[in-house]
Amino acid sequence: GAGVSQSPRYKVAKRGQDVALRCDPISGHVSLFWYQQALGQGPEFLTYFQNEAQLDKSGLPSDRFFAERPEGSVSTLKIQRTQQEDSAVYLCASSLYSPSGRDNEQFFGPGTRLTVL
Amino acid sequence: AQKITQTQPGMFVQEKEAVTLDCTYDTSDQSYGLFWYKQPSSGEMIFLIYQGSYDEQNATEGRYSLNFQKARKSANLVISASQLGDSAMYFCAMRGGSQGNLIFGKGTKLSVKP
Repeated sequence: GAGVSQSPRYKVAKRGQDVALRCDPISGHVSLFWYQQALGQGPEFLTYFQNEAQLDKSGLPSDRFFAERPEGSVSTLKIQRTQQEDSAVYLCASSLYSPSGRDNEQFFGPGTRLTVL
Repeated sequence: AQKITQTQPGMFVQEKEAVTLDCTYDTSDQSYGLFWYKQPSSGEMIFLIYQGSYDEQNATEGRYSLNFQKARKSANLVISASQLGDSAMYFCAMRGGSQGNLIFGKGTKLSVKP
């Protein structure tokens, strides 16, 4: 399909393990966003890429969280030494870049549900 | 700081009836965009409708319309002729931050009864 894909869909980690979550955006989409959605809450912004440049990482909750997009397409969100509070759904979204207007519509992937035991 | 408030944790509606989901927002920006997304149990966020702050007409997309009242800072979603497949979480969001990331409300769980 032509949508945003994420893998794995589900991940169970023991506390202290490192995890890597992958996002494949829509081809040609310049902008890529990561969001964290805790149970019963709305998504919260983590970080933003424009092509390969990480322009905003203000939402990353700690230095255990790291994201990259080395070739401006696929992105990986890495969480080191996972903690129970990291349990959430991690959503990736991509969009065409536009300073305003409808082109800013963000297309979301199905998310990765992370459970830390 | 920008903020989205959705005060209805859950709503019920009878199939084929219309329902309004409330959303209020707070921003000091003159130009902003408001979005509604649907999130079924599968987890994916599905875009429904967009309203720009300078749009003179209320946005409509099929059975979805947005009741935009700028002075009240409200952007309520109206779903006409509800269908069983409309049962899902609904999130109101606005574009915020320096790079256009979305700021979401806590969502409203809509249940459509047959």
